[in-house]
Amino acid sequence: DIQVTQSPSSLSASVGDRVTITCRASQYINNYINWYQQKPGKAPKVLIYGASNLQNGVPSRFSGSGSGTDFTLTINSLQPEDVATYFCQQSFSTYTFGQGTKLEI
Amino acid sequence: QVQLIQSGPGLVKPSETLSLTCTVSGGSMTSNNYHWDWIRQSPEKGLEWIGAINFSGTTYYNPSLKSPVTISVDTSKNQFSLHLSSVTATDTAVYYCARRQISVAGNWFDPWGQGTLVTVSS
Repeated sequence: DIQVTQSPSSLSASVGDRVTITCRASQYINNYINWYQQKPGKAPKVLIYGASNLQNGVPSRFSGSGSGTDFTLTINSLQPEDVATYFCQQSFSTYTFGQGTKLEI
Repeated sequence: QVQLIQSGPGLVKPSETLSLTCTVSGGSMTSNNYHWDWIRQSPEKGLEWIGAINFSGTTYYNPSLKSPVTISVDTSKNQFSLHLSSVTATDTAVYYCARRQISVAGNWFDPWGQGTLVTVSS
């Protein structure tokens, strides 16, 4: 199985900050990485697909980058409603998820 | 707007079969652009892909799962189902159904069902 490792596992930031979450795959996965946001008691919601494509309806302060094995989710100008846990997920070979990054304000 | 609505029991006894159904509302299941998946989430294992089915009934399963899994589809009812047999306490988790988009940009899960907490206990 391809493992995806996220860092950090948790972080605290202030409203208006720029936040970066990284995901590293255990082998080459081209750009087959997706990012999800999960709020407590809710199902995950896709934010970014194919490493850098913004899902319809997702605010433009969210962006993704990277290719190969290293990927980044960036939140520009952090908002209070962005408090959540964020996951990456690879689809190069079946489907595996990162362990999550809990974002607090 | 497609919605996935889950149904099924929240408590299953050890060695019995866990069965959940996902009803697809607001859209058709009969498209080659989508597969229909089951995913579970537990504090111990995080998010874990269980398996998938397409509208014609072809199935794909996670070979790492210990409990035998069967996924079925009934396109006349716009439903697909998960059956996990011989469950143990380690199968306790929140179970989600999800539609998987198939694209040149990869595969991603959207939307998801509301989730069902299934506890395996006598």
